Amino acid sequence: AQTVTQSQPEMSVQEAETVTLSCTYDTSESNYYLFWYKQPPSRQMILVIRQEAYKQQNATENRFSVNFQKAAKSFSLKISDSQLGDTAMYFCAFINNAGNMLTFGGGTRLMVKP
Amino acid sequence: EPEVTQTPSHQVTQMGQEVILRCVPISNHLYFYWYRQILGQKVEFLVSFYNNEISEKSEIFDDQFSVERPDGSNFTLKIRSTKLEDSAMYFCASSPTGWDSPLHFGNGTRLTVT
Repeated sequence: AQTVTQSQPEMSVQEAETVTLSCTYDTSESNYYLFWYKQPPSRQMILVIRQEAYKQQNATENRFSVNFQKAAKSFSLKISDSQLGDTAMYFCAFINNAGNMLTFGGGTRLMVKP
Repeated sequence: EPEVTQTPSHQVTQMGQEVILRCVPISNHLYFYWYRQILGQKVEFLVSFYNNEISEKSEIFDDQFSVERPDGSNFTLKIRSTKLEDSAMYFCASSPTGWDSPLHFGNGTRLTVT
């Protein structure tokens, strides 16, 4: 069974600074996708970024980038130039072709301070 | 941009009552999902649905739960006899091609069982 672990329950960062959220996962599959989802206080689940396991290049989306270390089964999210609107719960998630379901980590609550 | 829409946003029901949570997935998506999030906990997979039948379900999805696509647009989750522990946020999601495409989530329905 796949597991996703987020070891930081809460983090805070000053506005305009950079923060990195950690995620590790465990799987025996070689073909999979990893995601970061953002859940603001409105509780909506918003896709932030997606990484395909067979791509070595780290995904980037504007101020969001990942550090994907396949051998170490690590998938961290870096948020540059943090904004107040980035305050949210962030979930790391995993999916592969062995089961058509997302497995989520426990989440990291990020607070961006002015 | 097309969205997954869920109704109602908040449902309050008494223990033992039946509830139906409604979702309208994105129109050209073929895979549909229900997830739930008990307050303060991780997001959990309930069920996936493709080609008018359940493709995967979790241990949570017992005989009290059922899903249906009654017409070409709606996707519903029914809980036959609600329990206090069914109180949670329920998210509907859809994707175009299954595990290898991103899931798009609705805004969720907050179910409160009293």
